[in-house]
Amino acid sequence: ETGVTQTPRHLVMGMTNKKSLKCEQHLGHNAMYWYKQSAKKPLELMFVYNFKEQTENNSVPSRFSPECPNSSHLFLHLHTLQPEDSALYLCASSQDGRESNEQFFGPGTRLTVL
Amino acid sequence: AQSVTQLDSQVPVFEEAPVELRCNYSSSVSVYLFWYVQYPNQGLQLLLKYLSGSTLVKGINGFEAEFNKSQTSFHLRKPSVHISDTAEYFCAVSENKAAGNKLTFGGGTRVLVKP
Repeated sequence: ETGVTQTPRHLVMGMTNKKSLKCEQHLGHNAMYWYKQSAKKPLELMFVYNFKEQTENNSVPSRFSPECPNSSHLFLHLHTLQPEDSALYLCASSQDGRESNEQFFGPGTRLTVL
Repeated sequence: AQSVTQLDSQVPVFEEAPVELRCNYSSSVSVYLFWYVQYPNQGLQLLLKYLSGSTLVKGINGFEAEFNKSQTSFHLRKPSVHISDTAEYFCAVSENKAAGNKLTFGGGTRVLVKP
């Protein structure tokens, strides 16, 4: 595997379900990000992890719970979601401290909440 | 705080015609600028970036962008588009600092290339 991978690519869940999204980066980066991409809205940064420590939480509801066990893996645990949480969830990674902080994106998980 | 405005949400264009996608930003410090492309059902892919030096930046797939500091703009251009350029394009900015940089994205411009 190369770059940034995300699983699953598609997920349909009910409002009472609990599921997790997984992201893995194979680039040796030390920072990872979760973004939410909804139709007709700008890309929203949700969480940032630097060296496994959460450094940013952009007022994300507690029904989204991130986990970063090491610098290569990032999870987003989901529970009691709402239909408006349906979106494309993108993971990205970068090498913090490197000039420009270019971010590399995964293909995303398309989430549908029924 | 920084912000990015993409003035056009959709741009229809005929194949082999030129296209320009507009991007304006605001920031109180010097910045790095990026253009990303998102093809259907895929993540974002970097097209090009401006860090410093020449204000005309060339990227992949024949795209280029020009940084204009006085107008705080970073417009993207391609002289002749292909059907395969149909995608959504995002302009992004990050502050020029040693660490802890964050990307701020514009709302995106959807390009539809017609035969």
